[in-house]
Amino acid sequence: GQNIDQPTEMTATEGAIVQINCTYQTSGFNGLFWYQQHAGEAPTFLSYNVLDGLEEKGRFSSFLSRSKGYSYLLLKELQMKDSASYLCAVYDSWGKLQFGAGTQVVVTP
Amino acid sequence: NAGVTQTPKFRVLKTGQSMTLLCAQDMNHEYMYWYRQDPGMGLRLIHYSVGEGTTAKGEVPDGYNVSRLKKQNFLLGLESAAPSQTSVYFCASRVAGETGNTIYFGEGSWLTVV
Repeated sequence: GQNIDQPTEMTATEGAIVQINCTYQTSGFNGLFWYQQHAGEAPTFLSYNVLDGLEEKGRFSSFLSRSKGYSYLLLKELQMKDSASYLCAVYDSWGKLQFGAGTQVVVTP
Repeated sequence: NAGVTQTPKFRVLKTGQSMTLLCAQDMNHEYMYWYRQDPGMGLRLIHYSVGEGTTAKGEVPDGYNVSRLKKQNFLLGLESAAPSQTSVYFCASRVAGETGNTIYFGEGSWLTVV
């Protein structure tokens, strides 16, 4: 099975940087996703990592270490619209895709 | 969310009633998933399918059944609804073997069991 852990909530100020950590345990790891989700909506894709290292996309970056079972999502230059839930999801080689419980990010003025 | 359609979008059921949620995709995807999401929580995997005629259990399969008789459709059934099954249900689909942003979500189905 899969165990995916991420913090429940994080608060940061507009313009700041926040790092959301995700640790996982799985057999047959085949990729890790980060999604953003606003209340009442479907998740929106942010990033995908399958190899170790950092992937950068504008204000968002994601890092993966497969040997440590660890990933983080880095949000820079925070904006009020970034207040949302951020979901880590792990994909295994048998096609199973499981999500963590999500991290609620609150951006304050 | 183009390409993945969930019906119905909203439904109120009485305890003990049965119903089926339909997920349809027109992208010829092999993999399909059913999740439930409760307030303040992430998506929990109920059942999934890696191809027509195949299904597998996820994290929270009890009280649900699924079928994938046609590649484009993945049905989620509640045989005897319980208030604990009040939730938002999301369907997703994916092409096998591809990487990156290849998961497509439906818009969600809001189910209330009274």
